[in-house]
Amino acid sequence: DSGVTQTPKHLITATGQRVTLRCSPRSGDLSVYWYQQSLDQGLQFLIQYYNGEERAKGNILERFSAQQFPDLHSELNLSSLELGDSALYFCASSLRPVGQDTGEQYFGPGTRLTVT
Amino acid sequence: GIQVEQSPPDLILQEGANSTLRCNFSDSVNNLQWFHQNPWGQLINLFYIPSGTKQNGRLSATTVATERYSLLYISSSQTTDSGVYFCARRGTGNQFYFGTGTSLTVIP
Repeated sequence: DSGVTQTPKHLITATGQRVTLRCSPRSGDLSVYWYQQSLDQGLQFLIQYYNGEERAKGNILERFSAQQFPDLHSELNLSSLELGDSALYFCASSLRPVGQDTGEQYFGPGTRLTVT
Repeated sequence: GIQVEQSPPDLILQEGANSTLRCNFSDSVNNLQWFHQNPWGQLINLFYIPSGTKQNGRLSATTVATERYSLLYISSSQTTDSGVYFCARRGTGNQFYFGTGTSLTVIP
């Protein structure tokens, strides 16, 4: 158990809908990262938050957004869903702030999103 | 962009055999992790190894940062070792860039 929790584990929804994925980092970790794992794109970084602020953006679509709350949990919002958004979405957390050389990341169990 | 290449893409082993998985990088390595994704999709940390060698039971890893590669050794493989093995290196913003993985199947 990595200490990172994600809910829900599975989500099935229809095209055009909006969903929210939730992540709670390990106790004491300040950074939260979201990754998407799809069959055709592999594991890709989406976005990072550190202590409530956005720190880095990767291949995140404009239809997707995220935030990190004062209690450090994070939510990833996916809207206007398309079939191609079906994927496994991982959240990871780490302690180290941006700029330091270390930063081992611990991954949650993932949320499997199926868009029909 | 940062390129992370893993080889071989697929590997089938008889239980008890040893194997070596390789990860090559397009630029210098300053932070590297190996993960095992089990058949249920869970990503499990194996090693955090920016350089040098580490061992954990039947698994060990070596990173040669100056030559831009890392190796994961699995000895006396077991069926529970099946899954996909990923290496990932950190980018400038602390995010990880993942390789395409090595799919390992261990048959009894």
